Amino acid sequence: EDQVTQSPEALRLQEGESSSLNCSYTVSGLRGLFWYRQDPGKGPEFLFTLYSAGEEKEKERLKATLTKKESFLHITAPKPEDSATYLCAVWANTGFQKLVFGTGTRLLVSP
Amino acid sequence: DAGVIQSPRHEVTEMGQEVTLRCKPISGHNSLFWYRQTMMRGLELLIYFNNNVPIDDSGMPEDRFSAKMPNASFSTLKIQPSEPRDSAVYFCASSLFRDGEAFFGQGTRLTVV
Repeated sequence: EDQVTQSPEALRLQEGESSSLNCSYTVSGLRGLFWYRQDPGKGPEFLFTLYSAGEEKEKERLKATLTKKESFLHITAPKPEDSATYLCAVWANTGFQKLVFGTGTRLLVSP
Repeated sequence: DAGVIQSPRHEVTEMGQEVTLRCKPISGHNSLFWYRQTMMRGLELLIYFNNNVPIDDSGMPEDRFSAKMPNASFSTLKIQPSEPRDSAVYFCASSLFRDGEAFFGQGTRLTVV
């Protein structure tokens, strides 16, 4: 069974304090790994897709990396507006377009 | 494009009543998903359509849940009869099959009392 585990569950940072979020996965053939951001009361917002080990994607203060077993979302010099829940999802190579989500990391950045 | 549009945004109903949630996917997308989100279980896929055809409904919890996609621009998720444990936020998402990434609506917060 495909599984996604995110850690930590919650993370509190000071503004400017860089850190990383982890997404570990077990999947029968990875077709893609996705990162989403979710603000309270809103739907998940797509951030990145990673397709193969060694791939990296960047957007503003966020950088996502992928290995064969896990993905990291690095946040450099975060700002309060980066506060949100960050969700990771895997797309297994089953032929079905089914995303399996982790339970997310709640990030709070204090000024 | 306005993105994925869901209605209603909030729904409060009494146990035993029928509830219908609605979704308009992004124009041109050929895959549509219904997810349910709770604090305990996170985001769970309920059903997935490709080109208006249900492909995987293994996540639908019980026969009380049903989903339809009569055309490429509209889908419904129906719960009949509703129960308090159905209370959750229900999201609709759409995508292009080849790309994988799904774009979500704002969700419907369902409360069954």
